[in-house]
Amino acid sequence: EIVLTQSPGTLSLSPGERATLSCRTSQSVSSTFLAWYQQKPGQAPRLLIYGASSRATDIPDRFSGSGSGTDFTLTISRLEPEDFAVYYCQHYGSSWYTFGQGTKLEIK
Amino acid sequence: QVHLQESGPGLVKPSGTLSLTCVVSGDSISIDAWWSWVRHSPGRGLEWIGEIYHGGQTNYKTSFKSRVTMSVDKSKNQFSLRLSSVTAADTAVYYCAVSRGWYKLDYWGQGSLVTVSS
Repeated sequence: EIVLTQSPGTLSLSPGERATLSCRTSQSVSSTFLAWYQQKPGQAPRLLIYGASSRATDIPDRFSGSGSGTDFTLTISRLEPEDFAVYYCQHYGSSWYTFGQGTKLEIK
Repeated sequence: QVHLQESGPGLVKPSGTLSLTCVVSGDSISIDAWWSWVRHSPGRGLEWIGEIYHGGQTNYKTSFKSRVTMSVDKSKNQFSLRLSSVTAADTAVYYCAVSRGWYKLDYWGQGSLVTVSS
């Protein structure tokens, strides 16, 4: 099973700053199978990015995804107050989904 | 936009069976999509359990195969999860979700907390 390792565990930034979140896979994967989600307390996870770099419906363009092989990145260009949440990466392989442990993005 | 809502008992006894239902609104469960169950616990993070297609085809994660059953009720536009022989390790928030392709989970329910305790 492919393991997804996200870093950092917690990221403290201020509104207006740029956020860079990392997801590393234990072996090389196709970018087709890599997605990112946002989750706020008490809410359902929300799909942000699929295919490593395609934004989901209604996702603002300040969110972008990139990467290939074993290293993938979610970038939030200018943080808005509503962006402070937990972010998860996800891979689909061997006919099932696996998730990273999450990065908590908190207000500095 | 499809909306998903989980329901079921919040407390299950050890060795018992966990049963949850996910009601689908905003679209038919018979669309070309796979309907999943995912759980989230502090110790194990997000764990995908399995998925079902409206025709009844299923795909379960290996670690759950011996204990899990999923089903679809087209007349009620809902799908269900049954997880048997539960232990405290099965305590988690359980989410239902839908994938319309591209190896992603497009929409999720709000989640249902299930505690396994005597």
